[in-house]
Amino acid sequence: AQTVTQSQPEMSVQEAETVTLSCTYDTSESDYYLFWYKQPPSRQMILVIRQEAYKQQNATENRFSVNFQKAAKSFSLKISDSQLGDAAMYFCAYRRGYNFNKFYFGSGTKLNVKP
Amino acid sequence: DGGITQSPKYLFRKEGQNVTLSCEQNLNHDAMYWYRQDPGQGLRLIYYSQIVNDFQKGDIAEGYSVSREKKESFPLTVTSAQKNPTAFYLCASSIVGQASTGELFFGEGSRLTVL
Repeated sequence: AQTVTQSQPEMSVQEAETVTLSCTYDTSESDYYLFWYKQPPSRQMILVIRQEAYKQQNATENRFSVNFQKAAKSFSLKISDSQLGDAAMYFCAYRRGYNFNKFYFGSGTKLNVKP
Repeated sequence: DGGITQSPKYLFRKEGQNVTLSCEQNLNHDAMYWYRQDPGQGLRLIYYSQIVNDFQKGDIAEGYSVSREKKESFPLTVTSAQKNPTAFYLCASSIVGQASTGELFFGEGSRLTVL
């Protein structure tokens, strides 16, 4: 069974600094998707970044980037130049492939941003 | 604008009552989902549906029921058999097939409190 593990329940970062959130997953598949979602206090789930497993290049979206290590089954999220608005819960998620409709979520990491 | 609409945002229920949460999407997505989120925890899948008139149980389906009579709509009924229904409920949808970019699109959620 696929599992997603986020080993850091809570992290803190100083404004303007960089922070990395960890995620590992377990799968025997070669083709799959990985995601990071942000859930601010409003509780709306917002997609931060996606990675397709067949792509070797790490995905980036402005200040957000990932370190995707397929062999190690690791998918960490790096937030550069942290802003107060980045404070939220962050969830890592896995989807087997576009014809498979179950998503697996980690337990989340609460990110605090200090001014 | 396309999106997912959940209603009501807040709902109070007396013990022993059934309650139905609405989820409507105009994204033309085939797959729809219901997740439950408890305080400080991740998302747990209740039910999902890949096509009209078909749905599958997720990890915590007991005490819940769904229907999928229209592509756009996937209501969730929380029955009196659900022993601890107070939670935040998220509806989501996704594209199925090669056109998919993989991710889930979420509604804003419904907060159910049992008095």
